Amino acid sequence: QVQLVESGGGVVQPGRSLRLSCTASGFTFSNYAMHWVRQAPGKGLEWVAVIWYDGSNKYYADSVKGRFTISRDNSKNTVSLQMNSLRAEDSAVYYCARDRSFWGYDLEFWGQGTLVTVSS
Amino acid sequence: NFLLTQPHSVSESPGKTVTISCARSSGSIASNYVQWYQQCPGSSPTTVIYEDNQRPSGVPDRFSGSVDSSSNSASLTISGLRPEDEADYYCQSYDGSNPGVFGGGTKLTVL
Repeated sequence: QVQLVESGGGVVQPGRSLRLSCTASGFTFSNYAMHWVRQAPGKGLEWVAVIWYDGSNKYYADSVKGRFTISRDNSKNTVSLQMNSLRAEDSAVYYCARDRSFWGYDLEFWGQGTLVTVSS
Repeated sequence: NFLLTQPHSVSESPGKTVTISCARSSGSIASNYVQWYQQCPGSSPTTVIYEDNQRPSGVPDRFSGSVDSSSNSASLTISGLRPEDEADYYCQSYDGSNPGVFGGGTKLTVL
């Protein structure tokens, strides 16, 4: 069965960096687009970024553009989110999600999430 | 960029039917598929409807989705409400430059 396990969350000071990872299993990873979605405490879902199946295309939410970078390693079945210049408003649970397709429009399966807290 | 607007909350009694709307601010609702996700307290979201009206395996047929071009909105209908349906529900769609747009979410209370 599809499994997505996020890691790398924690407490970080404003302005610092953090790298999240998501390890996938149970499917052919290189066939699917992968997303990151976040949810601030008590708030709704906010889409963050998507990367196509082969890494050829990446898209970002305006709120993170220029600060976050999504990448993937199809040989290791992992997708990562490099987060730089972190702000308090980046504090959230970050979910990794697998798309239904190779290019990204439908978040079919979700991981359990990893909590990022940006605080001094 | 377009927005998806959902009611903040809805409530209904067990056994009844409830409909949650999702209005698209610009661009045609029919141009891009709409998905619906259920998020139970303390859990990750799961898909209940994809591609406007398709149910993943394991989702009961009490859940249905539709799209209405005249109101430029999508709807999630849950019939025969059960206490376990109480959750937050999010619609999601996309366009060429915005792969992931979520509605603000609707809290469903089953009274």
